[in-house]
Amino acid sequence: NAGVMQNPRHLVRRRGQEARLRCSPMKGHSHVYWYRQLPEEGLKFMVYLQKENIIDESGMPKERFSAEFPKEGPSILRIQQVVRGDSAAYFCASSQRESHEQFFGPGTRLTVL
Amino acid sequence: QQPVQSPQAVILREGEDAVINCSSSKALYSVHWYRQKHGEAPVFLMILLKGGEQKGHEKISASFNEKKQQSSLYLTASQLSYSGTYFCGTERGDGLTFGKGTHLIIQP
Repeated sequence: NAGVMQNPRHLVRRRGQEARLRCSPMKGHSHVYWYRQLPEEGLKFMVYLQKENIIDESGMPKERFSAEFPKEGPSILRIQQVVRGDSAAYFCASSQRESHEQFFGPGTRLTVL
Repeated sequence: QQPVQSPQAVILREGEDAVINCSSSKALYSVHWYRQKHGEAPVFLMILLKGGEQKGHEKISASFNEKKQQSSLYLTASQLSYSGTYFCGTERGDGLTFGKGTHLIIQP
């Protein structure tokens, strides 16, 4: 049973470009969460999705950031017109249901030049 | 609201015990504990849902007080593999809000 998969593992973008981060949850998991982690800091919640629905996006910046979890395929976190401050590790987690343990993927480390 | 973790860092010798605390000014829905090693993803340790609940696995256990405002993680007879950063996460019915973490260093 494969765990949570994220790709790419490392992504380098120049300022102004777009970054697309993908997350495939564990088999049987329909809840997906995205977190951002800056160096030497804790994880910050960004968005919580179920299939085709955004449940809570209170942690997402209002501009340039969007997320989706389509009926088919992985969840996508999209960052438009990236800036240097977007450089961070982005982790995806999945769970079977609410109030259940969340399993984390290996993360995507985004570097904006 | 971000939970407060203490201490910020702990240095132990192998075999010693440690306690990591996680507290909030408001009652929490649940508490999740994770360990993260440098450059790796957080790994789930345990979740506590009920006030007064205690859970344990081998030499790592946790408690959730009756008022559900504080949780403690207990590491007994620590091993080198316990080194890492420990995060508590509190749930608001959606994603987790994590504390800033407690760095645990185990020396041989």
